[in-house]
Amino acid sequence: GAGVSQTPSNKVTEKGKYVELRCDPISGHTALYWYRQSLGQGPEFLIYFQGTGAADDSGLPNDRFFAVRPEGSVSTLKIQRTERGDSAVYLCASSTPGPGVNEQFFGPGTRLTVL
Amino acid sequence: GNSVTQMEGPVTLSEEAFLTINCTYTATGYPSLFWYVQYPGEGLQLLLKATKADDKGSNKGFEATYRKETTSFHLEKGSVQVSDSAVYFCALSSYNQGGKLIFGQGTELSVKP
Repeated sequence: GAGVSQTPSNKVTEKGKYVELRCDPISGHTALYWYRQSLGQGPEFLIYFQGTGAADDSGLPNDRFFAVRPEGSVSTLKIQRTERGDSAVYLCASSTPGPGVNEQFFGPGTRLTVL
Repeated sequence: GNSVTQMEGPVTLSEEAFLTINCTYTATGYPSLFWYVQYPGEGLQLLLKATKADDKGSNKGFEATYRKETTSFHLEKGSVQVSDSAVYFCALSSYNQGGKLIFGQGTELSVKP
């Protein structure tokens, strides 16, 4: 079946602009995660959705970052007033519900470059 | 807070050499431990996992044992191949934190023929 997809694969924008990054999780996966990976580093957690609600947004770096998942499937990560330091690969992952810690399936990522 | 530390790379080995990539963690409670791999041009994928102390995860010839007494989860393979060249990430996750993954910084492995 289809895996996690993310669009666009690459996004180049100018400092101060607004961007939206989209994630389509695997069908039936109610848990959805966003991570950010800077060059040469491991992914860093941003936000976690269980269904439509953000269950944990403790990783969002500041109030310029916001994410939604209005129907419990597709999620959009929104970044306002982008800064050069926001340049990174943004990863989305989804997993099934249930007890314990379940495997997260990752998308290919969106590479964001802020000029 | 929870954290993961793994040995720095890059690691360069000859084909058929023995591989160890060290990983240690700090966590409250009893986390699950993972190794993820990122092959060139591909997305992150789960390599193996262990959910409780003394569990051994294994896949594709790779192994790692969850050692609570040393808070470690070292990745090993007896004989590496050129196709194992990739970046390897150690990670942990706690159920009471929604399952979010905490990653190490990654170790790049390059295997030469």
